[in-house]
Amino acid sequence: QQQVKQSPQSLIVQKGGISIINCAYENTAFDYFPWYQQFPGKGPALLIAIRPDVSEKKEGRFTISFNKSAKQFSLHIMDSQPGDSATYFCAASGSPLEGQNFVFGPGTRLSVLP
Amino acid sequence: DGGITQSPKYLFRKEGQNVTLSCEQNLNHDAMYWYRQDPGQGLRLIYYSQIVNDFQKGDIAEGYSVSREKKESFPLTVTSAQKNPTAFYLCASSLRRRDGEQYFGPGTRLTVT
Repeated sequence: QQQVKQSPQSLIVQKGGISIINCAYENTAFDYFPWYQQFPGKGPALLIAIRPDVSEKKEGRFTISFNKSAKQFSLHIMDSQPGDSATYFCAASGSPLEGQNFVFGPGTRLSVLP
Repeated sequence: DGGITQSPKYLFRKEGQNVTLSCEQNLNHDAMYWYRQDPGQGLRLIYYSQIVNDFQKGDIAEGYSVSREKKESFPLTVTSAQKNPTAFYLCASSLRRRDGEQYFGPGTRLTVT
């Protein structure tokens, strides 16, 4: 119940295309869903996050879509650029009263071809 | 500049030796975390601390130890009992546990031979 599943494991997209990464969770107590971007040899950095009271959040070229009933959320990167090439992690967290910490997906390695 | 610093960036040790990884933050965050990252896997929680002088085991605490004597510092010791210590170690902090963004340090790559 603590797992967050993420797909695909790797993704290759042409410059200007749309990158889509999907995540799914089981634990309905999760109520915060961030996406992190990590470049090689660096620590992850928060990209965008959503709470379950909204179905979509957009920041620039990055959009999170959230489907509470399906327990799924996804990251869409519009007009993908070579500089977006990185590993992306989805995560989920819930109430500390129930002992829940952040749970991370296994990551998606995105390559955007010039 | 506010942020999290980890040192050193690369660390090499012989098998059987304990090694301590440094993590310092000047964000005035209450909560701090240690994660381990292996290729093809997500981040796995080793230890976390919500306040000074208190810390809790995460999912993979065996073979590791921590201390939290100061709010800004949360060092991790990889002991000789850790069977497979070679990994990329990430420290993070958040204003409060669970609430919102975790800020990550640049990481320390530990190689044990």
